[in-house]
Amino acid sequence: GQQLNQSPQSMFIQEGEDVSMNCTSSSIFNTWLWYKQDPGEGPVLLIALYKAGELTSNGRLTAQFGITRKDSFLNISASIPSDVGIYFCAGQLMGSNYQLIWGAGTKLIIKP
Amino acid sequence: NAGVMQNPRHLVRRRGQEARLRCSPMKGHSHVYWYRQLPEEGLKFMVYLQKENIIDESGMPKERFSAEFPKEGPSILRIQQVVRGDSAAYFCASSTTGRETQYFGPGTRLLVL
Repeated sequence: GQQLNQSPQSMFIQEGEDVSMNCTSSSIFNTWLWYKQDPGEGPVLLIALYKAGELTSNGRLTAQFGITRKDSFLNISASIPSDVGIYFCAGQLMGSNYQLIWGAGTKLIIKP
Repeated sequence: NAGVMQNPRHLVRRRGQEARLRCSPMKGHSHVYWYRQLPEEGLKFMVYLQKENIIDESGMPKERFSAEFPKEGPSILRIQQVVRGDSAAYFCASSTTGRETQYFGPGTRLLVL
């Protein structure tokens, strides 16, 4: 089946550091979404991207839709303890109206 | 405006029993999606439903699994004769239309003993 390659798998950072993660695929997507999932909860939408090249911010979060339509990145600036969790990218393939393909997630851990 | 609601949050079943998972979409949403998540993995699409219709069930196993979204009441994901491999978190999402953003519920964690 279709796959999204999300990296890194996990990150150990100090509070205050910037964070960067990305997703790539061999397929073309018409939508990229970034979600955060806390333990025992469902994914919560952070940023949605609909156009190639689009750069969108949500507070300290910034995400971009790659111009090739095959990749996306998420940056978190000046991390704080509540940023801890698992971040997922998800994409809708060209020609699909609804089915989301998910990355395996990036686990963010902040060192005290 | 309440979000997507799922119940139960946790469900324990013995092998061979039936599991029924319920999902109430957000108010005004008529499109429901079910996903499955194994530990340390992303979500996997199972089925997409509108009121009284199954639109796409390509991600759902053909045996033992069924889903419905009746005219009244929540969407139900039903797993018959559960096996240990069915243990996972099952998430429901809803949207206003098939093209709009999907909002997720808190999930039901199924454990099969």
